[in-house]
Amino acid sequence: ELKVEQNPLFLSMQEGKNYTIYCNYSTTSDRLYWYRQDPGKSLESLFVLLSNGAVKQEGRLMASLDTKARLSTLHITAAVHDLSATYFCAPTRGSQGNLIFGKGTKLSVKP
Amino acid sequence: DSGVTQTPKHLITATGQRVTLRCSPRSGDLSVYWYQQSLDQGLQFLIQYYNGEERAKGNILERFSAQQFPDLHSELNLSSLELGDSALYFCASSPFPYGYTFGSGTRLTVV
Repeated sequence: ELKVEQNPLFLSMQEGKNYTIYCNYSTTSDRLYWYRQDPGKSLESLFVLLSNGAVKQEGRLMASLDTKARLSTLHITAAVHDLSATYFCAPTRGSQGNLIFGKGTKLSVKP
Repeated sequence: DSGVTQTPKHLITATGQRVTLRCSPRSGDLSVYWYQQSLDQGLQFLIQYYNGEERAKGNILERFSAQQFPDLHSELNLSSLELGDSALYFCASSPFPYGYTFGSGTRLTVV
């Protein structure tokens, strides 16, 4: 059974600082997704990482995947308040397999 | 608009009742997934359908059932409702070979 562990679960950052969210998963997964969720809202797709060593960047967010270590990271550069949200990682197996979500990291960026 | 339509957006019902949640996937997507999000359980995969057939089952209670119709829309039926079933229920659809788009969710409150 695929289990996903994210840490930290809560992250309070100051604007302008950098930080990394970690996502560990228990069994082989060939692709991994990162999602953002604002309170009471739906899940917004951020990145899909399809292979070992994959790195994707969008704005102040950069995600990477190490399938051998079963680890993905989401790095935040020079945080701004608009990044405040909950971030989920979700590995999956096979094409169109179901997503298994971590508990999420609630990020709060303060001025 | 993500292209995945869920109705209703909000539902308030009493314990012991039965409700039906509806999901229309993005045009052309054959796979539909149902997820439950609650404060204590996080985002839990319930069930997946592919082109009318059940493909995978997660932590779905026996009181819950789902189906996907020939026009590819899906319904999630929740019966004998309990207070603990109060949650946000998301539907997602997926094209081949990858990518998942979530609907805006149905917020179910059982009183």
